[in-house]
Amino acid sequence: EIVLTQSPDTLSLSPGERATLSCRASQSVAGGYLAWYQQKVGQPPRLIIYGASTRATGIPDRFIGSGSGAAFALAINRLEPEDFAVYYCQYYERSQGFTFGPGTKVEVK
Amino acid sequence: QVQLQESGPGLVKPSETLSLTCFFSGASIDTFYFNWIRQPPGKGLEWIGYIYYDGSTKYNPSLKSRVTISLDTSKNQFSLTLTSVTAADTAIYYCATELAYRVFDSWGQGTRVTVSS
Repeated sequence: EIVLTQSPDTLSLSPGERATLSCRASQSVAGGYLAWYQQKVGQPPRLIIYGASTRATGIPDRFIGSGSGAAFALAINRLEPEDFAVYYCQYYERSQGFTFGPGTKVEVK
Repeated sequence: QVQLQESGPGLVKPSETLSLTCFFSGASIDTFYFNWIRQPPGKGLEWIGYIYYDGSTKYNPSLKSRVTISLDTSKNQFSLTLTSVTAADTAIYYCATELAYRVFDSWGQGTRVTVSS
């Protein structure tokens, strides 16, 4: 069973700064099935990145996904006020289905 | 983009069956996987399962024995049934579609379900 771990739990930053979020898998995974979501309070998650590095429709280019093997990252350049939220990584594996990481909260410092 | 709306009772008694429905529009039924995902209060996301237009299903192994997802093509809706609920099943339940790349591209607003006597 593949388990996703995210770090840090909370990231305290100021608008305009760069955020770097980590998602690690318990074993090497196919990057084509690694995604990132943003969730704001009281809202459903929104797809940000799929295929490890492809931005979803309408996502600004300050969001950058990267990684391969068991280590993936989401960078957010020049944080905007609307970027403060919880971010989840997600992976699909044929036998177990979809798995989410526990999330990283990006909060205003 | 697909529009999704969950509906169902907000309160279910322990040991009883939770039943939710998701109405969808803007989707060609033979294109999407229709999913249920839940989020306990203050916690992360858990995928419950999906149904494809051909009726095939896949469930989270940890819930498989209690979950059934069905699809009613005539009404543009799909449903979740979760049996023998406990307080641990208290959560916001979301329906979501998957078009490609094994990701959830459209979500409903979610419906809160509390399991309590």
